[in-house]
Amino acid sequence: GAVVSQHPSRVICKSGTSVKIECRSLDFQATTMFWYRQFPKQSLMLMATSNEGSKATYEQGVEKDKFLINHASLTLSTLTVTSAHPEDSSFYICSASTLGARTYNEQFFGPGTRLTVL
Amino acid sequence: AQSVTQPDIHITVSEGASLELRCNYSYGATPYLFWYVQSPGQGLQLLLKYFSGDTLVQGIKGFEAEFKRSQSSFNLRKPSVHWSDAAEYFCAVAVNTNAGKSTFGDGTTLTVKP
Repeated sequence: GAVVSQHPSRVICKSGTSVKIECRSLDFQATTMFWYRQFPKQSLMLMATSNEGSKATYEQGVEKDKFLINHASLTLSTLTVTSAHPEDSSFYICSASTLGARTYNEQFFGPGTRLTVL
Repeated sequence: AQSVTQPDIHITVSEGASLELRCNYSYGATPYLFWYVQSPGQGLQLLLKYFSGDTLVQGIKGFEAEFKRSQSSFNLRKPSVHWSDAAEYFCAVAVNTNAGKSTFGDGTTLTVKP
């Protein structure tokens, strides 16, 4: 149980285009989803926290107009990189968590999406 | 704010040797602690977690970790490393039971020599 999927796993796009990444919790309802960015050989940097039905909370320094996050249901969150540029190339990872006596504070991670902007 | 330090950027061990990866955290109260493993190009897999109770926790793949409050540490250990254990290891701390928000260390790269 507690499987999180991401789609696509890899995307290559031209500079100036927008890219949407989906994060789905397959077998549980995720009250909270997180979006991370990871540069090569580096740790995960939290970009934003999203709760179903409400606006995402962005970390300091993350442009909310560039990284649009939507958490429309308890099983789906999307990250849209708008007007992507080469510096946005990175590995994007989502995670999902749910309130519960046994799973509180545990995040279940998706497999990641490799974005390359040409 | 909480922080996590993984002092070792890169560790190399021989297959069959024991392993210890260090993790220190900074937080005023008892945090929730996690160890994750990441293979190249993959997401994170939870190895083990500590919430409360027994300070020695067992995880998957033969890993264990011990929470030491006095040292603010949560070191990961394995008695005998396998070549397939080569990966990136991240220690993480969470302090808010409702948000689930975690802070990650910078990671330790494990190389296993044949």
